[in-house]
Amino acid sequence: AQTVTQSQPEMSVQEAETVTLSCTYDTSESNYYLFWYKQPPSRQMILVIRQEAYKQQNATENRFSVNFQKAAKSFSLKISDSQLGDTAMYFCAFSTGTASKLTFGTGTRLQVTL
Amino acid sequence: DTGVSQNPRHKITKRGQNVTFRCDPISEHNRLYWYRQTLGQGPEFLTYFQNEAQLEKSRLLSDRFSAERPKGSFSTLEIQRTEQGDSAMYLCASSYNRDRRAEAFFGQGTRLTVV
Repeated sequence: AQTVTQSQPEMSVQEAETVTLSCTYDTSESNYYLFWYKQPPSRQMILVIRQEAYKQQNATENRFSVNFQKAAKSFSLKISDSQLGDTAMYFCAFSTGTASKLTFGTGTRLQVTL
Repeated sequence: DTGVSQNPRHKITKRGQNVTFRCDPISEHNRLYWYRQTLGQGPEFLTYFQNEAQLEKSRLLSDRFSAERPKGSFSTLEIQRTEQGDSAMYLCASSYNRDRRAEAFFGQGTRLTVV
């Protein structure tokens, strides 16, 4: 069975600063996908960024980037130039294939302050 | 088609009553998932469909829970004889299994409160 661990229940960052959210996972699969989802208060969950395990290059989406360390089974999210709209719960998630079910971590609540 | 739609958004019910939730996925998506999210936790997988076939059910899905997806379009999740422990957010997501980006789109969820 796959597990996803997010060890930071809450994080805070000032506007325009950079913050890194941690995620580790455990699996015996050799090919899989990793995701970061954002869930704003009372709003639906949206995909922030994805990483395919067979790709060595770290994924980047505008201000969001990941540090994927396959051997260490680590998948952290870096948010640069934080904005107030980044305030949300962030979930790390794992999937064994395209369009497969997701296994989520417990989430990190990020608060961006002025 | 603006995304995954779930109804109702909120449901309050008395213990022992039956409830049914509906999910309308993105029209071209052939896979549909149900997740349950309790306060302070990440979503937990319940079941998923490919077209009208229910392909996997979690052990979290007790006998009181049943899901259907007739004709491979919308889906319903029914909980019979609700218990207070069923109180949670029920999330629906859809995806297309030939999409290499492997992206699942979520609805806004149905928040169930059992009193």
